[in-house]
Amino acid sequence: EAGVAQSPRYKIIEKRQSVAFWCNPISGHATLYWYQQILGQGPKLLIQFQNNGVVDDSQLPKDRFSAERLKGVDSTLKIQPAKLEDSAVYLCASSLGRRPTQETQYFGPGTRLLVL
Amino acid sequence: SQQGEEDPQALSIQEGENATMNCSYKTSINNLQWYRQNSGRGLVHLILIRSNEREKHSGRLRVTLDTSKKSSSLLITASRAADTASYFCATALPLYNQGGKLIFGQGTELSVKP
Repeated sequence: EAGVAQSPRYKIIEKRQSVAFWCNPISGHATLYWYQQILGQGPKLLIQFQNNGVVDDSQLPKDRFSAERLKGVDSTLKIQPAKLEDSAVYLCASSLGRRPTQETQYFGPGTRLLVL
Repeated sequence: SQQGEEDPQALSIQEGENATMNCSYKTSINNLQWYRQNSGRGLVHLILIRSNEREKHSGRLRVTLDTSKKSSSLLITASRAADTASYFCATALPLYNQGGKLIFGQGTELSVKP
């Protein structure tokens, strides 16, 4: 079974530039999550989708971050414009979606973003 | 303050020894999960323990949960160099609390020396 795919793996940009990350979840998984993991910390949930609808985006900085999951499959997360404090690893995860908080989340390898 | 706080922040042991990591939390939970993260990689789910369970085993892993003390521990027995990683506890809130989101702790960095 293929795992969660993410691209790119690494990205270096200058502040005020824009960047986009892509995630393809495990086939058949209805729930998709984007997390931000700052160095030395645990992952923090940015947004959770159930199929193509947003379940929770309470911690997404909506003035600069946006995410979409068209057709309920793959997803993109965009930052525009980027700030220095956005330097982090962006992790995508997916789960079956029958009982999202009570089931295993499968994580992708992450995209490591460095903002200069 | 964090919903999930882990102790110790770092742990260094010899191969063959046991490793114990602790996690404390503040609010009621639906379940608690432990994840492992190898350097520079994604997280791997290890084990999930529900709020009505007290102990769970999976191979060399043993997890306990004490809801009265709002704490959990992860024990890795007979550790191996390959167990070197960061270990995170994640608390799943009840659905009525922030939609039941999963909140991760800061992690414990385990180093197992051959």
